[in-house]
Amino acid sequence: EPEVTQTPSHQVTQMGQEVILRCVPISNHLYFYWYRQILGQKVEFLVSFYNNEISEKSEIFDDQFSVERPDGSNFTLKIRSTKLEDSAMYFCASSESGRVSDTQYFGPGTRLTVL
Amino acid sequence: GDSVTQMEGPVTLSEEAFLTINCTYTATGYPSLFWYVQYPGEGLQLLLKATKADDKGSNKGFEATYRKETTSFHLEKGSVQVSDSAVYFCALRDQGAQKLVFGQGTRLTINP
Repeated sequence: EPEVTQTPSHQVTQMGQEVILRCVPISNHLYFYWYRQILGQKVEFLVSFYNNEISEKSEIFDDQFSVERPDGSNFTLKIRSTKLEDSAMYFCASSESGRVSDTQYFGPGTRLTVL
Repeated sequence: GDSVTQMEGPVTLSEEAFLTINCTYTATGYPSLFWYVQYPGEGLQLLLKATKADDKGSNKGFEATYRKETTSFHLEKGSVQVSDSAVYFCALRDQGAQKLVFGQGTRLTINP
């Protein structure tokens, strides 16, 4: 069964450094998403991406964050200057369409630790 | 704004016990409702979903019915197994929105 993959599984970085989290969505999917889960808190939406554009973003997704689909398979989340509070599990997801009933399929996550 | 509230965990049950995890929601439109499960060390997996009122989603012995009148989507299973131990998330996606809105998750532990 096709699945969303994410690399790395764990990233440790120093405060102020840039990080890029990588995702390979399911191949025929058109919509891509990033979510994060700070330890002990809810899973929170960051951004959705369709047709090479951001289609929706949350208040969390400020100028420090950016997303890109650099080629036909990868989808990346960049954090320009990491803060301690960016430490979280980051999940990538994808869906076939943007219909409200459509299932979003999640990857296993990247645990980001900012020191 | 939209929100999802789940019963507080953790929940600990014995094998073959009946399970209910409560979920209620607030939405401005007519949302689709989802239950996701996260097994240890893995990502979120869709367990079941319902897209309109009175729909029942079911999978692996789990069921949940979309109740518009009570704005609820409670998860039930008649006889739980040790392998059901996981964290369960209720979520909604509202009309016109891309994002899923999640509840806080309920950790379920099943003892043999």
